[in-house]
Amino acid sequence: NAGVMQNPRHLVRRRGQEARLRCSPMKGHSHVYWYRQLPEEGLKFMVYLQKENIIDESGMPKERFSAEFPKEGPSILRIQQVVRGDSAAYFCASSPGISGALVETQYFGPGTRLLVL
Amino acid sequence: AQSVTQLDSQVPVFEEAPVELRCNYSSSVSVYLFWYVQYPNQGLQLLLKYLSGSTLVESINGFEAEFNKSQTSFHLRKPSVHISDTAEYFCAVIVNQGGKLIFGQGTELSVKP
Repeated sequence: NAGVMQNPRHLVRRRGQEARLRCSPMKGHSHVYWYRQLPEEGLKFMVYLQKENIIDESGMPKERFSAEFPKEGPSILRIQQVVRGDSAAYFCASSPGISGALVETQYFGPGTRLLVL
Repeated sequence: AQSVTQLDSQVPVFEEAPVELRCNYSSSVSVYLFWYVQYPNQGLQLLLKYLSGSTLVESINGFEAEFNKSQTSFHLRKPSVHISDTAEYFCAVIVNQGGKLIFGQGTELSVKP
């Protein structure tokens, strides 16, 4: 199954630690999106990346959060100095990145559930 | 700002009954519409989508949705539900060929025997 892979599936951090969430897109996909699902809320867009390029980061908190999608390897969502309010499920999605496509369907990974103690 | 409203947070139904999950969006520009399903502790799976063409779209497991531009709606329906349809359903839009999905709050469908 060459679906979107995320790891770890569960991550526990203490306040002040760093969290690194990884996402490997589907084979052949070059676009990655990150979303956050807070308890009792829907999914909120965070950031949209192509290889080595951030396309839209309008949903990223201004501080402590960063994302990258290097030429080689998975996309990384990094949260520095985590706080309890960062506890959520973080989902990654990918799409092919076909030039000229009207709009692309996004395929989601299983998510990483972050718990900050 | 664009938004998506799912009018019902929870919908309990009995097995083999029909169901409609409502979704309305607010946007004055081109929209592309999606329904995703999320089973407990799993990621989202695409159920169906409307990009262009026929306003009635269908999934392989019996769901259908109709894009109604005048009512800015994209309601999801199934004539006869199964226990296995129990899940959370999310309506989402992409606006004006932008990349990001804007999600509704989700509707929890609970199918009882």
